[in-house]
Amino acid sequence: GENVEQHPSTLSVQEGDSAVIKCTYSDSASNYFPWYKQELGKRPQLIIDIRSNVGEKKDQRIAVTLNKTAKHFSLHITETQPEDSAVYFCAASSIGGGGGADGLTFGKGTHLIIQP
Amino acid sequence: NAGVTQTPKFQVLKTGQSMTLQCAQDMNHEYMSWYRQDPGMGLRLIHYSVGAGITDQGEVPNGYNVSRSTTEDFPLRLLSAAPSQTSVYFCASSRWGNEQFFGPGTRLTVL
Repeated sequence: GENVEQHPSTLSVQEGDSAVIKCTYSDSASNYFPWYKQELGKRPQLIIDIRSNVGEKKDQRIAVTLNKTAKHFSLHITETQPEDSAVYFCAASSIGGGGGADGLTFGKGTHLIIQP
Repeated sequence: NAGVTQTPKFQVLKTGQSMTLQCAQDMNHEYMSWYRQDPGMGLRLIHYSVGAGITDQGEVPNGYNVSRSTTEDFPLRLLSAAPSQTSVYFCASSRWGNEQFFGPGTRLTVL
């Protein structure tokens, strides 16, 4: 099955600086890569996703890049703000591939701390 | 729309007790799933369903049963609770191949 590794487990940055979180996956059949943000005691919420036919996607201060050859994808947050403090999870899925259809395999999470 | 709802929010069980975690969605999504979240482990898929009457196992199915008699509901049953099942449980739903929406979670403690 799929295995997703996420680094770092904790990331502390100064407010206004950029943050980068990296994930690798093992199954070359994976074709959907979402990123979720989870605040303490809350449910995971999708912040951005990318499909395997696209190399980069951007939404305001958030961007995701995908390198299918190397099987890794990254989350980039620019101009970080205090409200960006949370745990971020990457995930991978093989949509339409049968088996665990649409079931997400998650990384273990990155605790992002924005220092004022 | 209420989205994805889960009940109860909190539950304490004794070892060997049984219970059902409820999950419902009002978005007419075909796909529903259950995950458990443990500290430092991310979320792990327990069971999933691609439509009414169809269920299958995920990564960590042992100790859990599911059924999907309607599009809206996807309950998760613990037949004989064990301390290893202490966790936060999230239900999720989606249209095929699209964003998964998560419920608010159920925090379960098994003593």
